[in-house]
Formats: sequence, C-alpha cells, structure tokens
Amino acid sequence: DIQMTQSPSSLSASVGDRVTITCRASQSISSYLNWYQQKVGKAPKVLIYAASSLQSGVPSRFSGSGSGTDFTLTISSLQPEDFTTYYCQQSYSIPFTFGPGTTVDIK
Amino acid sequence: QVQLVQSGAEVKKPGASVKVSCKASGYTFTGYYVHWVRQAPGQGLEWMGWINPNSGGTSYAQKFQGRVTMTRDTSISTAYMELSRLRSDDTAVYYCARDAAGGQLLSNWFDPWGQGTLVTVSS
Repeated sequence: DIQMTQSPSSLSASVGDRVTITCRASQSISSYLNWYQQKVGKAPKVLIYAASSLQSGVPSRFSGSGSGTDFTLTISSLQPEDFTTYYCQQSYSIPFTFGPGTTVDIK
Repeated sequence: QVQLVQSGAEVKKPGASVKVSCKASGYTFTGYYVHWVRQAPGQGLEWMGWINPNSGGTSYAQKFQGRVTMTRDTSISTAYMELSRLRSDDTAVYYCARDAAGGQLLSNWFDPWGQGTLVTVSS
C-alpha cells in the first residue's frame, strides 16, 4: 500500500495568512493526488484533484502543486471558514489511501 | 442537484453484520461508480472499495476482503455496503461517495459524498 504523510499535523494561523500544507507519498504517484477539506461533523469536500486542478465552485485562494512524491496545498489568504482539517488522497493505486490530516486553527 | 442520502445510525453487537444504504438522486445512478470510505472517531479516512452500479462489479480493499459486500438496486438508485463479523474497531462513520468521472470511467477521487452513517459496535 502507498503510505501518505502530511506536514504539519496542525498549524495555527490568522485570517489573511498564506498557508502551505505538504503531502508526501511513499512512492511516485505521478499527479494522482487530491485534496479534501472536512469540517467537524461533515463529510469531506474535494478542493483540488489531479494535484493542481481546482474543483468547480472552490474559491481560487486554494491551489495545489507537485508531482511524483511531493505535493502542496496552498491557501493564499485564509478566511474564517478555512479553519478546519485537510486531507490528501492518492488515486494512483488500490487501496486509495489518505494522509492523516492537517488541522488549521486560529492563532 | 446531485445528492447521496445514507441510512441512519446503527448500533450492533460484536459478531453481527450491518448494511448501510446510499440513495442517489440528481444524476444517472448507473453512470458513476460509488465508493465507500470510513472514518473511525477522531481518526482519518479509510477507503473500503467501490461498486460499478451498471454492472454490479466490485473492488474491495484487501483489508476488508471476505467481510465486506457492496451491492446495488438500480430500480431505486441505491447502493449498499454490508460489513460482517463486526468488531469494536469497526465503530466508525461510513460514507458513500460518487466517483468524479462518469461514462463508466474511474477517477478514484470522490465528489459528492453522502452525509455519513455512524455504526457503533458495542456489547
């Protein structure tokens, strides 16, 4: 199985800050990397697919980059509704595995 | 709008089985694969498998092979996930999610998701 790691596991930031979350795969997954946002008590929602494609309806302050084993999710200017948890997921091979999550909280 | 609505919470004893339903609306049910993902309390996300609603074909994560069965009823646009021989560590929220691709293709990323079904396994 492909192992996914994320760093940091949590971070504190302020409204307006630029935030970057890193995701690393245990082997190359090309660009088969997706990012989800999950709010407490809710189902995850996709933000970015195929490493860098913005899902329809997602604000443009979210962006993704990377390929191979190293990927990043960037939020260019944090908004109050962005303080929550983010997961990466590889869609390269079964079983499709997720990272452990990164929680963004208010500084 | 595209929507997946899941059945309600369940409480089961160890060794029992649970069957969770996922009713699709707002799109052609047979046109998109359905995945199942679970999340233990306070934990991360774990992919369990997919079903092709058109053919009934399935693919399961090896971890769940022999314990999970995914089925569908196309007449009511509903997918099902049954997990048997339940253990306490199967306590989790179980989500169904539509594959993002259509036309009998697989993208293996998920949009949208159902609201989740809490399954509690306790004696």
